[in-house]
Amino acid sequence: GIQVEQSPPDLILQEGANSTLRCNFSDSVNNLQWFHQNPWGQLINLFYIPSGTKQNGRLSATTVATERYSLLYISSSQTTDSGVYFCAVPSLMGSASKIIFGSGTRLSIRP
Amino acid sequence: NAGVTQTPKFRILKIGQSMTLQCTQDMNHNYMYWYRQDPGMGLKLIYYSVGAGITDKGEVPNGYNVSRSTTEDFPLRLELAAPSQTSVYFCASSSEGDTQYFGPGTRLTVL
Repeated sequence: GIQVEQSPPDLILQEGANSTLRCNFSDSVNNLQWFHQNPWGQLINLFYIPSGTKQNGRLSATTVATERYSLLYISSSQTTDSGVYFCAVPSLMGSASKIIFGSGTRLSIRP
Repeated sequence: NAGVTQTPKFRILKIGQSMTLQCTQDMNHNYMYWYRQDPGMGLKLIYYSVGAGITDKGEVPNGYNVSRSTTEDFPLRLELAAPSQTSVYFCASSSEGDTQYFGPGTRLTVL
């Protein structure tokens, strides 16, 4: 099945810094999602981005489907950005149902 | 609009006991999912459903059962609980071609 790898596994930054999180996947996909899990365990969807670039405030994401990767950019980090960031892709091309999650990037923003 | 709700929030089971984790969504989504998240790990898909009366296995279905008699509800049944089922369980829902929305999770401990 498809493999999803996220890097780096851990990232510690000072407040105000910028960061780039990467998600590589081993096969063609027709959708990709980014999620944030906050320190209390709540999972929030950030982007649904099968290709191209999307922006939402300080966060933006770019997916290059032909090269099988996606990037999540966080600018001017705040302590509330701390948590784990997951990317997720369908395990079967064309499937909207079987979603596979990467192992995540744990981001810690220090005040 | 409550989104995705899960009950209970916490539960402790003894080995061999059974229980049902409840999940309800009020967004009229056809797709519903159950995931488990072990400490420090990503999410693994247990079962999913693409509509009332239709369910299918995910990555880690052993020891679990599901049913989907209505669009709104997708209960997860644990039979003969084992310590390996200690985890946080998340329910999610989505429309086809859209991102997933997660419930708050159920923290289950099997002793």
